[in-house]
Amino acid sequence: NAGVTQTPKFRILKIGQSMTLQCTQDMNHNYMYWYRQDPGMGLKLIYYSVGAGITDKGEVPNGYNVSRSTTEDFPLRLELAAPSQTSVYFCASSLKGSDNYGYTFGSGTRLTVV
Amino acid sequence: AQKITQTQPGMFVQEKEAVTLDCTYDTSDPSYGLFWYKQPSSGEMIFLIYQGSYDQQNATEGRYSLNFQKARKSANLVISASQLGDSAMYFCAMREGLYGNNRLAFGKGNQVVVIP
Repeated sequence: NAGVTQTPKFRILKIGQSMTLQCTQDMNHNYMYWYRQDPGMGLKLIYYSVGAGITDKGEVPNGYNVSRSTTEDFPLRLELAAPSQTSVYFCASSLKGSDNYGYTFGSGTRLTVV
Repeated sequence: AQKITQTQPGMFVQEKEAVTLDCTYDTSDPSYGLFWYKQPSSGEMIFLIYQGSYDQQNATEGRYSLNFQKARKSANLVISASQLGDSAMYFCAMREGLYGNNRLAFGKGNQVVVIP
């Protein structure tokens, strides 16, 4: 069981470039999330989805977009990358009806914008 | 306003000793859940323990226990018999509402270094 898979693990982008961070889960979880973690800080919610076709903004959505066409996949799109988007990005999923709705996290993507 | 506050500076703890990590939270919702996650230097997020607001007893998971003081809005993590592998950042997080969209708000974390 792979859990939550994020690709790539590392990426360097130039200012103004675009990219998509991939996230896929094989646990049939209905809820999925994107968080970013800046150095020395906790995680902040970017976007989330409660099911295929449904997405909503979190605390820090500016500069990002998401889609959820399938239960498994929840890609995060960065348009016009800026240095302020340098961060570690975590995708997570959880299952409605599970014991405590705890998250399963991916291993993270470390993004540097130069 | 911050929903989760973790303000302890980095901590050094002797191997085999217990360590308590402080977490206070702010919510007006009577239904909420509190989580602790561990982030070792490798970067992954590892779930440790969960406490629901209506749980009558403090949660325990192996060497981890949660000292839940509802009136004080605190949810401190206690790690007993520290091991070298416990060196990590520890994050407290809260879900407001029964389950809803299950969004979590995270604190800034507590750094723990276990010394032999």
